[in-house]
Amino acid sequence: AQSVAQPEDQVNVAEGNPLTVKCTYSVSGNPYLFWYVQYPNRGLQFLLKYITGDNLVKGSYGFEAEFNKSQTSFHLKKPSALVSDSALYFCAVRDIRGAAGNKLTFGGGTRVLVKP
Amino acid sequence: DSGVTQTPKHLITATGQRVTLRCSPRSGDLSVYWYQQSLDQGLQFLIHYYNGEERAKGNILERFSAQQFPDLHSELNLSSLELGDSALYFCASSVEGGRVRFEQFFGPGTRLTVL
Repeated sequence: AQSVAQPEDQVNVAEGNPLTVKCTYSVSGNPYLFWYVQYPNRGLQFLLKYITGDNLVKGSYGFEAEFNKSQTSFHLKKPSALVSDSALYFCAVRDIRGAAGNKLTFGGGTRVLVKP
Repeated sequence: DSGVTQTPKHLITATGQRVTLRCSPRSGDLSVYWYQQSLDQGLQFLIHYYNGEERAKGNILERFSAQQFPDLHSELNLSSLELGDSALYFCASSVEGGRVRFEQFFGPGTRLTVL
């Protein structure tokens, strides 16, 4: 079975400061990892993914994430946060093997609040 | 805009009733996924269809069913509704069911309220 943990329900950061949203995962094989963002009353928007290759993945809106296999983590980062980054962030994993189809397993979400 | 459309945007109904949620995937996408987002359960995978065939089931209740039609749009049918079914229901699509590296694109969701 695959699972994702986002240990922080909320992250508060001042505008201009670095932003980190934590994610750890558990899969039986190799993971495909994703970050999505959800703004109020909107659907989920894809930010970035790790499939293979470089451990540092760059995505939309200046976000990046670092895959760490030994720590089974995939933390989302942004060097300088904007007020407009305030939203709900979801980490998701998909096991490349298994009979579960291509379902995504999501973490519980982390609410990011960027204060001016 | 992801290119995935869902109707209706909001749905208010009573317990015991039956509703149908509709999803049109992005042009060219063969896979459709349904997810339920609720405060207590978070985002949960319900079911996956690929080119008209069911591929995988997640935490989908027996009262719920889905299908994907030849034009690739999908419908999620919820029956004998209970208060606990109130949630945001998302549809997502991706290019191919077998190419697991492709990300899923989500629609705006249907907010279901059961009174």
